[in-house]
Amino acid sequence: DTGVSQNPRHKITKRGQNVTFRCDPISEHNRLYWYRQTLGQGPEFLTYFQNEAQLEKSRLLSDRFSAERPKGSFSTLEIQRTEQGDSAMYLCASSFWTGNTGELFFGEGSRLTVL
Amino acid sequence: AQKVTQAQTEISVVEKEDVTLDCVYETRDTTYYLFWYKQPPSGELVFLIRRNSFDEQNEISGRYSWNFQKSTSSFNFTITASQVVDSAVYFCALGGLSGGSYIPTFGRGTSLIVHP
Repeated sequence: DTGVSQNPRHKITKRGQNVTFRCDPISEHNRLYWYRQTLGQGPEFLTYFQNEAQLEKSRLLSDRFSAERPKGSFSTLEIQRTEQGDSAMYLCASSFWTGNTGELFFGEGSRLTVL
Repeated sequence: AQKVTQAQTEISVVEKEDVTLDCVYETRDTTYYLFWYKQPPSGELVFLIRRNSFDEQNEISGRYSWNFQKSTSSFNFTITASQVVDSAVYFCALGGLSGGSYIPTFGRGTSLIVHP
C-alpha cells in the first residue's frame, strides 16, 4: 500500500499520560500536515512541514503538543500531559507541493481517547 | 483569513434522487484552490476534485459534477442518481496562496444519507 499510513489507529490513555502518533507519508511527497478532527466538525489545521522544516503551527497547538519530521520522511506528533479535551481524531496528510498547489492525501487517522 | 461554510449539516435522500451539496467560501487571496473530499464511515478522507480560482469551467465526472461560481463565491457539488454507497460526510476545502503559506481550510462537512 503506497498511501499515507498512521499508527496507532486507536489510543486510549489516562489523563496526564503522554502519547505519540506516527505518520508515514506517500514517499515522493515533500509536505506533511497534521490536522485534528472532532465529532461533527471538519479537520482543523495543527501544523505542517516542508521536508524536515516545520513551517507553521496553529494557535491550537499548545505547548503540550510537539511535532517532528526528522530527515523529511515520517513524522511524529507527541502530546504531553494529555487532557480530556485532547480526545479527537488526529489526521495526517501529505502532498507534493509544486509551488502552486497540491491536494492533500489523508491517512486513516489516529483516534485518541483520554479518560 | 479564509473561511468555508457548508450550511447543510445533513441531507437525507432516497436512492436515485439527485442531490446538491452547497459550499460558500471567503478569501482575500486572488489565487486559491477549492477541493471536495469524501469521508466514508471508515474515516479516511478521500480527495475528489481540485479547482483553481482561474478556472470557472464546470466539471463532470461520472455521476459527480461541480459548479464553481466566483461571483457568488460558491463551489457546489451535485451527485446525480445517488446510490447508497454515496452515503458519507463531504467536506469542501479552500487553500489560498497568501503570505507564502498554503494551509487548506475545511468546512464543517455535510452528512449525506442515501436510503435504499
